[in-house]
Amino acid sequence: DTEVTQTPKHLVMGMTNKKSLKCEQHMGHRAMYWYKQKAKKPPELMFVYSYEKLSINESVPSRFSPECPNSSLLNLHLHALQPEDSALYLCASSQDKLATDTQYFGPGTRLTVL
Amino acid sequence: SQKIEQNSEALNIQEGKTATLTCNYTNYSPAYLQWYRQDPGRGPVFLLLIRENEKEKRKERLKVTFDTTLKQSLFHITASQPADSATYLCALYNFNKFYFGSGTKLNVKP
Repeated sequence: DTEVTQTPKHLVMGMTNKKSLKCEQHMGHRAMYWYKQKAKKPPELMFVYSYEKLSINESVPSRFSPECPNSSLLNLHLHALQPEDSALYLCASSQDKLATDTQYFGPGTRLTVL
Repeated sequence: SQKIEQNSEALNIQEGKTATLTCNYTNYSPAYLQWYRQDPGRGPVFLLLIRENEKEKRKERLKVTFDTTLKQSLFHITASQPADSATYLCALYNFNKFYFGSGTKLNVKP
């Protein structure tokens, strides 16, 4: 099973709401990632978890809060977002975070902030 | 930081022809370079990885070249099919992470 699942597929939220994005993989991968992608733009790395510990935070605003409850799950908690945060949020996982490790991406969550 | 350039204009080709996509980068030469395919509203799917000391890598109808002197990678799809229509992204590994290009949209017409 080489699948990364993400829920929900679509999310519409107001600027005062609190919501969470969920990502799950059962490939035994020890690295998990959050990316943000706007239309016709490249995926931009937000966070990397390695062995359930936050490894990289690309200076992401604190209104985005990642969490890795266990080796299979990755959450992204959202609070007080801005309309410019509307984007496709992609989760990925890889065996480790080596350059030669293939990243497997989920289908993404399409987020709209009103 | 790393800057990656992929042709933002769509590439339109006829079925059966070879598609060639370009990835140019500035600044640091990456130790590794990957190519991904992305369909609309979906996450990227890994296709090929090439190392800096490899000139060429093949997988079925796909071929990737890597020229560190020109700071360029070329991605070829031979005998292209309409099902190959998608956006193709290159990704470079520097400073412990991958930097993605914006991708080039390929349209293969029957």
